[in-house]
Amino acid sequence: GQNIDQPTEMTATEGAIVQINCTYQTSGFNGLFWYQQHAGEAPTFLSYNVLDGLEEKGRFSSFLSRSKGYSYLLLKELQMKDSASYLCAVSLDAGKSTFGDGTTLTVKP
Amino acid sequence: ETGVTQTPRHLVMGMTNKKSLKCEQHLGHNAMYWYKQSAKKPLELMFVYNFKEQTENNSVPSRFSPECPNSSHLFLHLHTLQPEDSALYLCASSQSQRGPYEQYFGPGTRLTVT
Repeated sequence: GQNIDQPTEMTATEGAIVQINCTYQTSGFNGLFWYQQHAGEAPTFLSYNVLDGLEEKGRFSSFLSRSKGYSYLLLKELQMKDSASYLCAVSLDAGKSTFGDGTTLTVKP
Repeated sequence: ETGVTQTPRHLVMGMTNKKSLKCEQHLGHNAMYWYKQSAKKPLELMFVYNFKEQTENNSVPSRFSPECPNSSHLFLHLHTLQPEDSALYLCASSQSQRGPYEQYFGPGTRLTVT
């Protein structure tokens, strides 16, 4: 089966940096996605990694180590609006994606 | 606004009713997906259509019946549902199933089965 692990909840302070980890054990790997989902809203795409290393997009960065089955999402200069659920999703062969349970991030003033 | 719309946004139905959920994407994508999102559970893939052909049925009960008349529209027909089917049903689209490509999600239909 497919297994993706993320912390259930995290709390951080406005202006700080937070790292959300994701480990995976899947049959097949075709890339890893991070999505953001605000309460009551649809998930929105944040980042994609297929090669090892760091991808930077403004305040958000995502890292991948395929040999370790590990990724993280790094959020810098946290803002209150970053309070949301962050979903790690692995793209399997044949185009299917399997999602983790999501990490609920609460940003406090 | 992600370019994917879903109607209705909220639906309450009895176990003997028949209803349909509608999804439309304005992105020119060729793959469309139905997901179920229950409280405290990860997104569960239900069905995938690629170029109007169903390519995935993730062991979904037959009381859920998908229909994809063209690459822009996707329906989920519901009949004789159970209370445990109450959830948020999300539609998504991507450039193609053979990606990987990021998925664009609609706002979802909040379904309550009484």
